Amino acid sequence: DAGVIQSPRHEVTEMGQEVTLRCKPISGHDYLFWYRQTMMRGLELLIYFNNNVPIDDSGMPEDRFSAKMPNASFSTLKIQPSEPRDSAVYFCASSLLLLNTDTQYFGPGTRLTVL
Amino acid sequence: GNSVTQMEGPVTLSEEAFLTINCTYTATGYPSLFWYVQYPGEGLQLLLKATKADDKGSNKGFEATYRKETTSFHLEKGSVQVSDSAVYFCALSLQGAQKLVFGQGTRLTINP
Repeated sequence: DAGVIQSPRHEVTEMGQEVTLRCKPISGHDYLFWYRQTMMRGLELLIYFNNNVPIDDSGMPEDRFSAKMPNASFSTLKIQPSEPRDSAVYFCASSLLLLNTDTQYFGPGTRLTVL
Repeated sequence: GNSVTQMEGPVTLSEEAFLTINCTYTATGYPSLFWYVQYPGEGLQLLLKATKADDKGSNKGFEATYRKETTSFHLEKGSVQVSDSAVYFCALSLQGAQKLVFGQGTRLTINP
């Protein structure tokens, strides 16, 4: 299996622009997570989906952030408009089941820089 | 609330040294505990886990024992290698709670 795939790996944009991050989970996994990693705040869960349905979006920082999962093999995280404080590494992860013992498999991340 | 506290880094050791990275947790229930590792430029990957008190997780020479009495899950390795240089995250998840709670991460550098 190719693992969790994220694109792009690096994104540099200017403040005010729309940014879309993409994720393809591991085939057959029915949970998908979006995380943000910064030096100041560490690793934060933004939102997660089960069977394409958003279950908990309490970590989404504000209305500028939105996430969708139109099908089992694709999810997007959109920031509109972007701000310099959104600069971070964004990770997508997936898992097969979500008992509290199950492993989450992480993608390589998208490093976002907002100028 | 539920939280994880790790020893602050960075940690720098020489090759073949003994490693301990401390991790303590606060949880309202009975968590499962995890160590994830992040190599440079990569995403996190599971290193080991333990699901109940006194369980020992182990992988790649690393070990951690779930200590309920001290609410700890310290990571140890007897002889580190340069290839172990990475950031290590301790995490917990609770039964019925659909997410991981991560510690702040500890950066480990091993010098030859």
